Amino acid sequence: RKEVEQDPGPFNVPEGATVAFNCTYSNSASQSFFWYRQDCRKEPKLLMSVYSSGNEDGRFTAQLNRASQYISLLIRDSKLSDSATYLCVVRDSSASKIIFGSGTRLSIRP
Amino acid sequence: GAGVSQTPSNKVTEKGKYVELRCDPISGHTALYWYRQSLGQGPEFLIYFQGTGAADDSGLPNDRFFAVRPEGSVSTLKIQRTERGDSAVYLCASSGRKPLHFGNGTRLTVT
Repeated sequence: RKEVEQDPGPFNVPEGATVAFNCTYSNSASQSFFWYRQDCRKEPKLLMSVYSSGNEDGRFTAQLNRASQYISLLIRDSKLSDSATYLCVVRDSSASKIIFGSGTRLSIRP
Repeated sequence: GAGVSQTPSNKVTEKGKYVELRCDPISGHTALYWYRQSLGQGPEFLIYFQGTGAADDSGLPNDRFFAVRPEGSVSTLKIQRTERGDSAVYLCASSGRKPLHFGNGTRLTVT
């Protein structure tokens, strides 16, 4: 079983729609969680950290469910510029390796 | 205000040759990570440095791969006897108090 698993997609949704991705992780000792965004042929960039209480950044909402070991990302009012691959990222502790999921591809159509 | 710098940006080499990939992290970042990314996949963890020492090298695929960071800043990923399956984008990232900042990567092609 992979340490971090994501649905690869692609998700193809119309502009303005709401879309949600989930990610599961296998190590219950994992402590830090993030969502990264990667555009085609570019490096990954931090989208947002994920906190236990859930957090929001504009149109983006991230949630963490420790009991079920999954993380979610919700994008509201999607824009064409949201088209990218979204990577779920997990770190076991403050001094440990950081593991990426395989990514979920999102395509927003006009 | 430089970010993470990786050189070369592209490297084409013949099967069996030796290559070195360089990463210059953000100044002051003590943590440095190497990842490998193939088309359609997420970044695959290779090795993690905290300062000069390799804190976790469990992701290195075999003994042809080796990485150093002798002065706790610049790191070099070394691949011996390259194989066609080594072709990928090699990403370096550094981290201070915030999560990872990536370089643009080195695209390695083994012919």
